[in-house]
Amino acid sequence: QVHLQESGPGLVRPSETLSLTCIVSRGSVSGGGQYWSWLRQPPGKEPQWVGYVEDGERPNYNPSLKSRVTITLDTSKDHFSLRLTSVTAADTAVYYCAREVRVPGRLGKYYFDSWGQGALVVVSS
Amino acid sequence: AVRVTQSPSSLSASVGDRVTITCRASQGITDDLAWFQQKPGRAPELLIYSASTLQSGVPSRFSGSGSGTDFTLTINNLQPEDFATYYCLQDYNYPYTFGQGTKLEIK
Repeated sequence: QVHLQESGPGLVRPSETLSLTCIVSRGSVSGGGQYWSWLRQPPGKEPQWVGYVEDGERPNYNPSLKSRVTITLDTSKDHFSLRLTSVTAADTAVYYCAREVRVPGRLGKYYFDSWGQGALVVVSS
Repeated sequence: AVRVTQSPSSLSASVGDRVTITCRASQGITDDLAWFQQKPGRAPELLIYSASTLQSGVPSRFSGSGSGTDFTLTINNLQPEDFATYYCLQDYNYPYTFGQGTKLEIK
C-alpha cells in the first residue's frame, strides 16, 4: 500500500505563499491512472477538494482557489507539491495529500485509496 | 458545483444499534458517491465508493446504497470503534464536494 506524508511549514504569514510537499513511498508518482491530490479541512468543518495532478497531464483545480493554487509533480523524487499564494486566515486548515486510483471496470472513474496523515497550517502574523 | 446535503448532523446511538446516514445531491450524480469515516486528529478513511462498493478491509457491517440524488450509509451492529464523524463525497464532477458531516456519538 502506497504511503503518503505531508511536509512543510506549520505557520504562514498573511499574504505570503503556503508550500507543502507530499512524499510518496512504497509506490511511484510516475505513469497514468493515479491522481495525486490535495484536500484541506478547516477546523471543525468538512474537507474541501483543492485539486490534483496526474503524470503527463494538466492539473485540475477547484475554481474557488484556481487563481492562487499550483500543484506540481516531481517524478524524479516521487513527490508532489502544493503552492497557495496570497493566503489569509481563511486558508488555515489541515492539508491532506491523497491518491485517487481507477475503479476497476469503470472507465474514467476513480476513488481515494490512500491519504497522508495531514499537516496543520496556520495563517497568522 | 454539486451541493451535497448530509443528514443528520449528529446522531446518538448505542453499541449494537443500526444507524442510517443520508446524503442528497443537488443534481443527479449516478452512483459517484463515497463515504468516509474520520476520527479526531486522523485523516478520513474510505469506507465505500461508487455508492455501494465496500473498500477492502472495511467490515461488512458497513453498507451503502443509492443512485441519482439520494444515498444512504447504513451501519449494522454498531461497535465502539464506529463512533466517529462520517462524510459523503460526490466525485461525479469537479469540484468534488463533501457533505457537512454526521457526528455519531454514544448514547
